[in-house]
Amino acid sequence: EAGVVQSPRYKIIEKKQPVAFWCNPISGHNTLYWYRQNLGQGPELLIRYENEEAVDDSQLPKDRFSAERLKGVDSTLKIQPAELGDSAVYLCASSLGGSGFSYEQYFGPGTRLTVT
Amino acid sequence: DQQVKQNSPSLSVQEGRISILNCDYTNSMFDYFLWYKKYPAEGPTFLISISSIKDKNEDGRFTVFLNKSAKHLSLHIVPSQPGDSAVYFCAALSGAGSYQLTFGKGTKLSVIP
Repeated sequence: EAGVVQSPRYKIIEKKQPVAFWCNPISGHNTLYWYRQNLGQGPELLIRYENEEAVDDSQLPKDRFSAERLKGVDSTLKIQPAELGDSAVYLCASSLGGSGFSYEQYFGPGTRLTVT
Repeated sequence: DQQVKQNSPSLSVQEGRISILNCDYTNSMFDYFLWYKKYPAEGPTFLISISSIKDKNEDGRFTVFLNKSAKHLSLHIVPSQPGDSAVYFCAALSGAGSYQLTFGKGTKLSVIP
């Protein structure tokens, strides 16, 4: 079974530029999460989707961050414009929802963003 | 305020010996706990979990113990192997809440051959 796929793996951009990250969750996983992990810290939740609905985006900086999961499968996280403090690893995770709900979340390899 | 604390940033253990990684939490609403292992340049990998209705869960060489009264859990790895060298994250969530995982800062385990 394929795991969570993310691309790109690495991205270097100048500040004020836009950037987008893509995630394909494990097949059949209805719940999708975006996390940000700063150096030396644990991952912190940005947004959670149940199918195509964003059910928890309370920690997403909405002035510059946006996310979408149009067909309830793949998801894109965008930053526009990027700031120096956005340098981090952006992780996507998925888990079973609905009748097969599970607390275990499965993570992709992440996208390491460097803003210069 | 950090709700999940891993107070040891690093731990070194000889191969074959026991590794004990500790985690403390402050939020009494947490009722499910997970351990993740992370290798460099990879995402966290789910390792083992425990519900608050249990005090122990075992999976092969990995055992997690939960002490609810002390708000403390630990991960035991016996015997430790060089391939276990990684960063281990403790995470917690409230099943009655948003299912948001709250992570500790991680403990880097080095297993010395």
